[in-house]
Amino acid sequence: EAGVVQSPRYKIIEKKQPVAFWCNPISGHNTLYWYLQNLGQGPELLIRYENEEAVDDSQLPKDRFSAERLKGVDSTLKIQPAELGDSAVYLCASSLSGQGKAFFGQGTRLTVV
Amino acid sequence: AQTVTQSQPEMSVQEAETVTLSCTYDTSESDYYLFWYKQPPSRQMILVIRQEAYKQQNATENRFSVNFQKAAKSFSLKISDSQLGDAAMYFCAYKSRRGAQKLVFGQGTRLTINP
Repeated sequence: EAGVVQSPRYKIIEKKQPVAFWCNPISGHNTLYWYLQNLGQGPELLIRYENEEAVDDSQLPKDRFSAERLKGVDSTLKIQPAELGDSAVYLCASSLSGQGKAFFGQGTRLTVV
Repeated sequence: AQTVTQSQPEMSVQEAETVTLSCTYDTSESDYYLFWYKQPPSRQMILVIRQEAYKQQNATENRFSVNFQKAAKSFSLKISDSQLGDAAMYFCAYKSRRGAQKLVFGQGTRLTINP
């Protein structure tokens, strides 16, 4: 069974440029999460989807961040424009609703210069 | 809001020895999950072990076991017969069974295995 797939694994962009990350969850998983992980810290939730509905986006900086999960499968997280402080690892995870376990992708390391 | 605290930024252990990583959490809920995740340099979070709060029996997975003290809100991870491949960041995490279905993570503990 394929795990959670994220791309790209690394991205370097100049500040003020846009950037997008893609996530393909485990087949059949209806819950999808995007987490932000700063260096040396634990991940923090940005947004959670149940199927195609964003049910928790309270921590998403909506002035520059946006996300979508069309058809309730793949998801894209976008930053526009990127700032130096956005340099971090962006993790995607998925799970079955009501199941405790969440499975993570390998993350995208973003560097904004 | 729930919080998770890992008070040990770094730990080290000799290969083949046993090490215990500490975690405490704060919640007003009675029904929840607790997890330990391992994050090697590859960055992928790997689930090590899960504990359901309503179960009194401590979870075990091969060389990994937990000491779950619900009243004290403590959830420590014991790694027996430590191996070089156990070296990684370890994160304790909390998840409600109802309501907000998000994982709340601690700050992590970096575990080094000395050969």
